[in-house]
Amino acid sequence: KAGVTQTPRYLIKTRGQQVTLSCSPISGHRSVSWYQQTPGQGLQFLFEYFSETQRNKGNFPGRFSGRQFSNSRSEMNVSTLELGDSALYLCASRETGAPNNEQFFGPGTRLTVL
Amino acid sequence: GQNIDQPTEMTATEGAIVQINCTYQTSGFNGLFWYQQHAGEAPTFLSYNVLDGLEEKGRFSSFLSRSKGYSYLLLKELQMKDSASYLCASLSPGAGSYQLTFGKGTKLSVIP
Repeated sequence: KAGVTQTPRYLIKTRGQQVTLSCSPISGHRSVSWYQQTPGQGLQFLFEYFSETQRNKGNFPGRFSGRQFSNSRSEMNVSTLELGDSALYLCASRETGAPNNEQFFGPGTRLTVL
Repeated sequence: GQNIDQPTEMTATEGAIVQINCTYQTSGFNGLFWYQQHAGEAPTFLSYNVLDGLEEKGRFSSFLSRSKGYSYLLLKELQMKDSASYLCASLSPGAGSYQLTFGKGTKLSVIP
């Protein structure tokens, strides 16, 4: 099976712009979680989607949003970009909704905000 | 959410044994994961503990004490390729369902 894929891999934006990142989970995986990784804060949970419904949300402002499609692919959107949004954005998929299932991470999208 | 504490950096010698500790808040705890992340790459799953005790997988072992809010990852017969960040993550109830809270990671450098 192909692994988790994320597009684009690298992105440069300026403050105030918006961005959409895409994640395709492993075939058959219905849960997709998004994380932000920075050197200072480490890996922080953004949100999780399961069967097109947001099941959980981390402590991020409303500028961060996401959705999941019927084929389990997911997108996340960040509006009104700030310098501090520069980070590696990782998505992870798992087969079922069981939280103790192993998560498989994608390679990430490196976002730089200038 | 959970506060996860683990050392920022560690250095160990090739062929040696190293233990990476992790402490977490025990309220709502539902299991502990360890992930390995090489520089510039995605994290990969190493282990999951939910019951007290030691789980061994080849050169890697993970230990959990639920009452103490403590886990460690033990790496034996260290190899240069083990140089990576090791992430401890606690599973606990979130706003809607369970969520993983990660520590900031321990950067392990293996030296000859």
